[in-house]
Amino acid sequence: GQQVMQIPQYQHVQEGEDFTTYCNSSTTLSNIQWYKQRPGGHPVFLIQLVKSGEVKKQKRLTFQFGEAKKNSSLHITATQTTDVGTYFCAGPDSGYSTLTFGKGTMLLVSP
Amino acid sequence: DAGVTQSPTHLIKTRGQQVTLRCSPKSGHDTVSWYQQALGQGPQFIFQYYEEEERQRGNFPDRFSGHQFPNYSSELNVNALLLGDSALYLCASSQTRGAGDTQYFGPGTRLTVL
Repeated sequence: GQQVMQIPQYQHVQEGEDFTTYCNSSTTLSNIQWYKQRPGGHPVFLIQLVKSGEVKKQKRLTFQFGEAKKNSSLHITATQTTDVGTYFCAGPDSGYSTLTFGKGTMLLVSP
Repeated sequence: DAGVTQSPTHLIKTRGQQVTLRCSPKSGHDTVSWYQQALGQGPQFIFQYYEEEERQRGNFPDRFSGHQFPNYSSELNVNALLLGDSALYLCASSQTRGAGDTQYFGPGTRLTVL
């Protein structure tokens, strides 16, 4: 079945440093979604990318979808302590609106 | 407009017992998916309900079953609990329009099996 892999598993940065997490799928995706889960919380939808090569920005967050629609990245510029959490990418299974999630990248930001 | 709600928030059970978790979808949503999230892992798809039927199922044993009611709310039942069933159980609702529709997650039910 479809597999979604994320690296790194964990990253600890100083506030103000940049952060990037990478996501790779074993299959071509119709779209890719990113979620953020704060410690003790639940996944919260951040964004969906649909087009090959698409780049979207949300303030300090930049999301990219690869040309082959099998990989994606999330880049955070000048991290803040509020960015702490685990970032998941997820790709839809064929047919219906169910998602295969990566294992996530846990981000820790020290002030 | 209420988002996805789940009950209970926390639950402690012993091995062999049965548990029922409940979910109310976001207003206007007709599809409910259940996910299991073990500690340090991403959510894993259990099954999805639409029009009161199980539409798709992940790689989970028959001990996991569910139901959807006419008002779109849903239940997840787990029989013969094992220690490995300890996890955060997430309900996600969406509208059926096609693959990859945005999933809105509830706060989850933390199940501990002793």
